[in-house]
Amino acid sequence: QTVVTQEPSFSVSPGGTITLTCGLSSGSVSSSYYPSWYQQTPGQAPRTLIYSTTTRSSGVPDRFSGSILGDKAALTITGAQADDESDYYCVLYLGSGSWVFGGGTRLTVL
Amino acid sequence: QVQLVESGGGVVQPGRSLKLSCAASGFTFSSYGMDWVRQVPGKGLEWVAVIWNDASKKNYADSVKGRFTISRDNSKNTVSLQMNSLRPEDTAVYYCVRDFRHPAYFFDQWGQGTLVTVSS
Repeated sequence: QTVVTQEPSFSVSPGGTITLTCGLSSGSVSSSYYPSWYQQTPGQAPRTLIYSTTTRSSGVPDRFSGSILGDKAALTITGAQADDESDYYCVLYLGSGSWVFGGGTRLTVL
Repeated sequence: QVQLVESGGGVVQPGRSLKLSCAASGFTFSSYGMDWVRQVPGKGLEWVAVIWNDASKKNYADSVKGRFTISRDNSKNTVSLQMNSLRPEDTAVYYCVRDFRHPAYFFDQWGQGTLVTVSS
């Protein structure tokens, strides 16, 4: 069974930079998993931020960026704002129409 | 604009069945794969099932395989999730999601979700 790992929580100061990561319990995350990132605030549906590792979805501010760092996918927020306080989920595509979510990272901006 | 509107959620007893539906509009429905993703209240997201754009293939998470069935009607722009033998751990908000493929693979449009509560 494929397990995708994310930091359970993180905090950042307003204006700061933070990098959230998305790994595999066994193995490395590469672009061939087409990592994508989603933002969710309480009571709302998720919003697509990043797909195919680095591509920002339409309307997503450029302070959000995606990359591969070492053996993990990464989401970097540069110049964090108060309304970035959310849950962030990564998803990996396993092929044959199968996806797996990470457990999510709760980001606090304070 | 793209809209995905789920319906059919509610309270159901363990072991019973429930069928969720999702009405799609604002895009060429028959060109896209469709998925269901669920979220236990206060917990993370879990991919549940996918159906190809032409219904030629389906796939399921291990947690629901053999109990849930995804289907679609391209003439009515709807996708459904038939849930049988429901368990308390199936309690969740169920989201209807459009997936994008070739050359990327991701979820690009989400419905607002419908809550399913499995309880006696």
